[in-house]
Amino acid sequence: AQSVAQPEDQVNVAEGNPLTVKCTYSVSGNPYLFWYVQYPNRGLQFLLKYITGDNLVKGSYGFEAEFNKSQTSFHLKKPSALVSDSALYFCAVRDIGGYGQNFVFGPGTRLSVLP
Amino acid sequence: GAGVSQSPSNKVTEKGKDVELRCDPISGHTALYWYRQSLGQGLEFLIYFQGNSAPDKSGLPSDRFSAERTGGSVSTLTIQRTQQEDSAVYLCASSLGGTSGLYEQYFGPGTRLTVT
Repeated sequence: AQSVAQPEDQVNVAEGNPLTVKCTYSVSGNPYLFWYVQYPNRGLQFLLKYITGDNLVKGSYGFEAEFNKSQTSFHLKKPSALVSDSALYFCAVRDIGGYGQNFVFGPGTRLSVLP
Repeated sequence: GAGVSQSPSNKVTEKGKDVELRCDPISGHTALYWYRQSLGQGLEFLIYFQGNSAPDKSGLPSDRFSAERTGGSVSTLTIQRTQQEDSAVYLCASSLGGTSGLYEQYFGPGTRLTVT
């Protein structure tokens, strides 16, 4: 069965600095990988996904993520953080060819961008 | 276009009562998911519908929980004899269908359930 780990409960970064939110996964086959963001008192929003092709994926709001198969990681990055990026971030994985519980979400990482 | 809608947005109920939570997915989305999120925590998968296939109920925590999806569109999650530990935000999501898993999910705003 697939699983997702987000090793950091909380990430603090100063505005203007680069940010990284970490995600590692475990699947039996090839993964589909997703990042979602949850702003305070709002629903989850899709940020980006990796299906196939280039390992560097670009998404909404200037975010990008790099798929690293050897390290089974899919870290979320942004070159210059904004205070408005402060939110709860979830990584999710889908094991290609599986059925049923299609997506497994990580526990979430709370990002705080300090002015 | 319209996104995923859920109703009610908030529900307060007494322990032991039954509740129904509703989800209207995005038109044309054949896949529908229910999740539960406790305060500030991760998402717990509950149930998944895909087209006319039998739903995957593997995440339902007890037989007090059930869900149906009528006409391949609207879904209702029912919790019978609610308990305080059922208090959480219940999230519905929909996506384009098939079992390929290519498609991202679009989430509704959630229903905050409080059992007193």
